[in-house]
Amino acid sequence: LAKTTQPISMDSYEGQEVNITCSHNNIATNDYITWYQQFPSQGPRFIIQGYKTKVTNEVASLFIPADRKSSTLSLPRVSLSDTAVYYCLVGVYTSGGYNKLIFGAGTRLAVHP
Amino acid sequence: ETGVTQTPRHLVMGMTNKKSLKCEQHLGHNAMYWYKQSAKKPLELMFVYNFKEQTENNSVPSRFSPECPNSSHLFLHLHTLQPEDSALYLCASSDRGTDDEQFFGPGTRLTVL
Repeated sequence: LAKTTQPISMDSYEGQEVNITCSHNNIATNDYITWYQQFPSQGPRFIIQGYKTKVTNEVASLFIPADRKSSTLSLPRVSLSDTAVYYCLVGVYTSGGYNKLIFGAGTRLAVHP
Repeated sequence: ETGVTQTPRHLVMGMTNKKSLKCEQHLGHNAMYWYKQSAKKPLELMFVYNFKEQTENNSVPSRFSPECPNSSHLFLHLHTLQPEDSALYLCASSDRGTDDEQFFGPGTRLTVL
């Protein structure tokens, strides 16, 4: 079963690109990868999801190498409001569907002026 | 505002009490979830309901009892809890199922004395 590992914390400055990597060595072929963002006193909020290669939306990019043992969330030009905890999630496919959802411990990103 | 509401937002209970957490989603989704978020552990999926059918119970102790009377409402009934059950309990919903984007409520902060 996939286990996810991500850095505990990161620091950045406004306007920089931030890359947060999640390691999931035991990921299986049909498992998917998702990233969520969480602010204090709120529930997590979906950022992006993918299976392989690269996915981009209006707020982030997700890079997944061919072996899929890791994934990198890329936040372009961060601002102070991007200060939050970022969670990597692996959705594990079992016989009944994606019923095992394995979250990482979260990466606390601090963006400085 | 994510379209998922949870009540109460804060709850303090003794170990012999019985209480219930309520979740309501206004998104027309078909799947609902209960998660536990404690300070020292990653987000833990507790229960999954798909079209009102419970499809996952991740080895949750029987002192937690979920109920899904319809696709918009989800309850978590609590009885004879332990202090280690103190945590933030998050509800989420998704449209198609567990491989879909989840929308989280703000959570109920539970303290067991």
